[in-house]
Amino acid sequence: GQQVMQIPQYQHVQEGEDFTTYCNSSTTLSNIQWYKQRPGGHPVFLIQLVKSGEVKKQKRLTFQFGEAKKNSSLHITATQTTDVGTYFCAGSSNDYKLSFGAGTTVTVRA
Amino acid sequence: KAGVTQTPRYLIKTRGQQVTLSCSPISGHRSVSWYQQTPGQGLQFLFEYFSETQRNKGNFPGRFSGRQFSNSRSEMNVSTLELGDSALYLCASSRGRTGGNYEQYFGPGTRLTVT
Repeated sequence: GQQVMQIPQYQHVQEGEDFTTYCNSSTTLSNIQWYKQRPGGHPVFLIQLVKSGEVKKQKRLTFQFGEAKKNSSLHITATQTTDVGTYFCAGSSNDYKLSFGAGTTVTVRA
Repeated sequence: KAGVTQTPRYLIKTRGQQVTLSCSPISGHRSVSWYQQTPGQGLQFLFEYFSETQRNKGNFPGRFSGRQFSNSRSEMNVSTLELGDSALYLCASSRGRTGGNYEQYFGPGTRLTVT
């Protein structure tokens, strides 16, 4: 079945630095979604990518969908303490099944 | 607009018992999906209900079941509880089918502890 792998599992970042989390699927995806879960909270939708090669930005966050629609990335610039949390990617194929990656847990050193 | 609500928020049960969790989706949302979240396994998909029908099911034993009512509210039942069922159970609602280009809105979750 479809599997979505996410790396790294943990990311320790100095405040002000950039980092990237990657998401890879074993199959071609129809879309990919990104969610953020703050400590003690629930996942909150960030963005959805649908088109091959699509790039979307939300302030300091840049999301990309690969040309083959099998991978995606989230790049955060100038990390702030508000970026702490776990970032999940979730991919869907044409079978309406949404598979979540294991998540990247981000901690920030002030 | 009110968000997704889940009841109860916390639950402690004994091995062998059964439990029912409830989820009320955002008004107008027809799809409700359930997930199990544990530190070691991340977010694991349990099942999706859309228009009162189970549309997709994850890789969980038959002890896990659910249903959806005509008002889109959903319940999840776990019978013969095991220690490994201790987890945060999240439900998420969306306007359309999960995975069908619709964002999901998650509830706060029910923290189940099995002793």
